[in-house]
Amino acid sequence: EVQLVESGGGLAQIGGSLGLSCAASGFTFDHFAVSWVRQAPGKGLEWVSIISGAGLSTYYADSVKGRFTISRDNYRNTMYLQMNSLRAEDAAVYYCAKSRSSSWFSAFDMWGQGTLVTVSS
Amino acid sequence: QSVLTQPPWASATPGQTVTISCSGSSSNIGSHTVNWYLHLPGTAPRLLIYSNTQRPSGVPDRFSGSKSGPSASLAISGLQSEDEADYYCAAWDDSLNGWVFGGGTKLTVL
Repeated sequence: EVQLVESGGGLAQIGGSLGLSCAASGFTFDHFAVSWVRQAPGKGLEWVSIISGAGLSTYYADSVKGRFTISRDNYRNTMYLQMNSLRAEDAAVYYCAKSRSSSWFSAFDMWGQGTLVTVSS
Repeated sequence: QSVLTQPPWASATPGQTVTISCSGSSSNIGSHTVNWYLHLPGTAPRLLIYSNTQRPSGVPDRFSGSKSGPSASLAISGLQSEDEADYYCAAWDDSLNGWVFGGGTKLTVL
């Protein structure tokens, strides 16, 4: 069974840091691009970042560029998101999502249940 | 303000057909395929339609997608109460070098 499980969410201070993990199982992890997508309270889905199967290429939303870093460990079948210089507007449920293929342009066919990030002063 | 524009709400009665629109531009929908997701708050989003018109296995054929130029739409026929959810369109954007989502449409089954 294909499964994605996020962890690492919690309370962080404005200007602080937090690291998220996404553990994958049930598929050949390094064959697929994976992304982080978030949903702030009362808002819609917002794509955050994507990383290629080999981990050599990444893209970021302008709202997090320079502050967040996506990475992956294909031996551990795990993706990460390091969030620095957190802002109030970064508070959200963060989902990891698997692409249907190695292509940047393929749909997200599996999502995790999400992990909640709260940012306060 | 989302890059892709969707109506915030839609409603219909059971058995009817509802259509949700998604308007973009030449840098996203005009150049790439559109995907649609269903999301119930507190749960994992679910892929409904990919590559404009394709349904993943397990998605009923009551759900269909289409695309024309920089716009796309999702149609749900034979509406059921369990279809009440938030629906999002998404496409890759060449100008932003990233994925863009619509603002979401909350579907109510009256």
